[in-house]
Amino acid sequence: AQSVTQLDSHVSVSEGTPVLLRCNYSSSYSPSLFWYVQHPNKGLQLLLKYTSAATLVKGINGFEAEFKKSETSFHLTKPSAHMSDAAEYFCVVSAPPRNRDDKIIFGKGTRLHILP
Amino acid sequence: KAGVTQTPRYLIKTRGQQVTLSCSPISGHRSVSWYQQTPGQGLQFLFEYFSETQRNKGNFPGRFSGRQFSNSRSEMNVSTLELGDSALYLCASSSDRGQFPNTGELFFGEGSRLTVL
Repeated sequence: AQSVTQLDSHVSVSEGTPVLLRCNYSSSYSPSLFWYVQHPNKGLQLLLKYTSAATLVKGINGFEAEFKKSETSFHLTKPSAHMSDAAEYFCVVSAPPRNRDDKIIFGKGTRLHILP
Repeated sequence: KAGVTQTPRYLIKTRGQQVTLSCSPISGHRSVSWYQQTPGQGLQFLFEYFSETQRNKGNFPGRFSGRQFSNSRSEMNVSTLELGDSALYLCASSSDRGQFPNTGELFFGEGSRLTVL
């Protein structure tokens, strides 16, 4: 079985300051991990993914995430927030294809607010 | 390249009715998956289709069903609607590189927002 926990439902940062969105996961397998972003009334868009290659993953729009197996974490960061980053962010874990259960699990989401 | 298209974008139904939602994937994508998004439960996986076959299924009752056509377009159906079925239903497509969920990217549509009265 697997699960994913986003530790904050809301995060507020000032424009130009760093962003940290936290995600912990649990998996019986070697998971693939993703961060997706959802702007209001839109579908989800992939920011970045970890698939057992480099532990530091760089994504679009200046976002990056580090896979830490010892801490079972996959936190999303950005050095400097922009107003356009205001959205909801989802941490996602997926199981290897041979696993029959819990194919893909979404975190509850973190809503990022950017203060001017 | 056109993105994932979902129709209708908004609809209102009453309890007991049924509804059919449509999803046209990105050209060349053969895997189509469906998700339900609600404020209480968040995003949950419904099912995934590939080459007209349901390959994977989430934990939803049999009232939720789907199908995929030879052109990869997919429909999902919800019968005997309940108030709790009110949600945003998202469809995603991906280029198939193996069993779902693959390690590739899911491309999402903007969703169909269903309100059940």
